Amino acid sequence: DAGVTQSPTHLIKTRGQHVTLRCSPISGHKSVSWYQQVLGQGPQFIFQYYEKEERGRGNFPDRFSARQFPNYSSELNVNALLLGDSALYLCASTPQGGLSVEQYFGPGTRLTVT
Amino acid sequence: KNEVEQSPQNLTAQEGEFITINCSYSVGISALHWLQQHPGGGIVSLFMLSSGKKKHGRLIATINIQEKHSSLHITASHPRDSAVYICAVKASGSRLTFGEGTQLTVNP
Repeated sequence: DAGVTQSPTHLIKTRGQHVTLRCSPISGHKSVSWYQQVLGQGPQFIFQYYEKEERGRGNFPDRFSARQFPNYSSELNVNALLLGDSALYLCASTPQGGLSVEQYFGPGTRLTVT
Repeated sequence: KNEVEQSPQNLTAQEGEFITINCSYSVGISALHWLQQHPGGGIVSLFMLSSGKKKHGRLIATINIQEKHSSLHITASHPRDSAVYICAVKASGSRLTFGEGTQLTVNP
């Protein structure tokens, strides 16, 4: 079975632009979480979605938004990109909404903002 | 002070050595995860613990809820174990809080 997939793998954008990152969870998983990992640091929680509803939001500005589709795939959108948004964006899926279960991570999308 | 603290930040070992990575946290938790991240970014979940001890191959994870402390041990370390090891906790709500990671390098 395919694991969590993310696209694109790498992306270069300029300041002020908008970006959309995509995540497909493991088949049968209904929850998707997004994390931002700046170089040299641990990941930071951005959003969790379960059954197409937002279940949690981290301390990120409103420039960050996400949604989950009926097939449980998810998009993370970032508007008005800043240099500090350069990071690895990780998606993780779980079968259900709680986080006291194993999380399965995708390979990440590396975003560079110039 | 971060809610999740790992030590050491960097660790270099010789092949075959026994390795310990520590994680301390400051909040009540319902679960603790140990994750492995290889260069390039992919993260693999190694363990999820809420009490006691788990073992998988050469990896052992322990947790002491009263002391708010967990350890990840690697026996008979190998160069392929070289990676960043990250501790993450679920306290409340729907988020994981991560430590900054421990960079492990195992030399042949």
